[in-house]
Amino acid sequence: AQKVTQAQTEISVVEKEDVTLDCVYETRDTTYYLFWYKQPPSGELVFLIRRNSFDEQNEISGRYSWNFQKSTSSFNFTITASQVVDSAVYFCALSGYSTLTFGKGTMLLVSP
Amino acid sequence: EAEVAQSPRYKITEKSQAVAFWCDPISGHATLYWYRQILGQGPELLVQFQDESVVDDSQLPKDRFSAERLKGVDSTLKIQPAELGDSAMYLCASSFGRAQSVSTDTQYFGPGTRLTVL
Repeated sequence: AQKVTQAQTEISVVEKEDVTLDCVYETRDTTYYLFWYKQPPSGELVFLIRRNSFDEQNEISGRYSWNFQKSTSSFNFTITASQVVDSAVYFCALSGYSTLTFGKGTMLLVSP
Repeated sequence: EAEVAQSPRYKITEKSQAVAFWCDPISGHATLYWYRQILGQGPELLVQFQDESVVDDSQLPKDRFSAERLKGVDSTLKIQPAELGDSAMYLCASSFGRAQSVSTDTQYFGPGTRLTVL
């Protein structure tokens, strides 16, 4: 069975601070994909990134960056210079040869 | 930009009543998913369709839940009778691929239906 752990339940930062959301996963599949989704208060899950298990290159997209380390089974997400609009629940998810499994999410609160 | 549509956005019902949710996936997406998300948790898959066929409904409480995607496009999820524990967000998602690529495809989610059972 696959499992995703997001140990941080809630993080509070002040605008312009950098923040890292942790994600640790467990799977027996040799090929798998990792995802991050953002869920604002409106409820819709917004896709942010997909990374396959063979690509350990870090990725940067604007203020967002992702650090995939297969050796530690982690796929962490960093927001640089956070903004109030970044306030949301962020989910890490894993899929292999079975269904997409989500972590419990990390609520990020960015205050002005 | 193509989106997954869901209705209604909010539904309040009394226990033992029937409720139905509708989902229209992104055009051309073969696979459709229904998830349930309890407050403070991540979404959990209820049922997965590929075209009009059910691929996985192992987590669907079949004594009270039913789902259909008759023409392989839009889909309806029904609960009858609703129970207090069914209060949750019901999310629909779709992805483009079929067969072996399904589990690796990116899923795109709709806005969800927030159900409250009184």
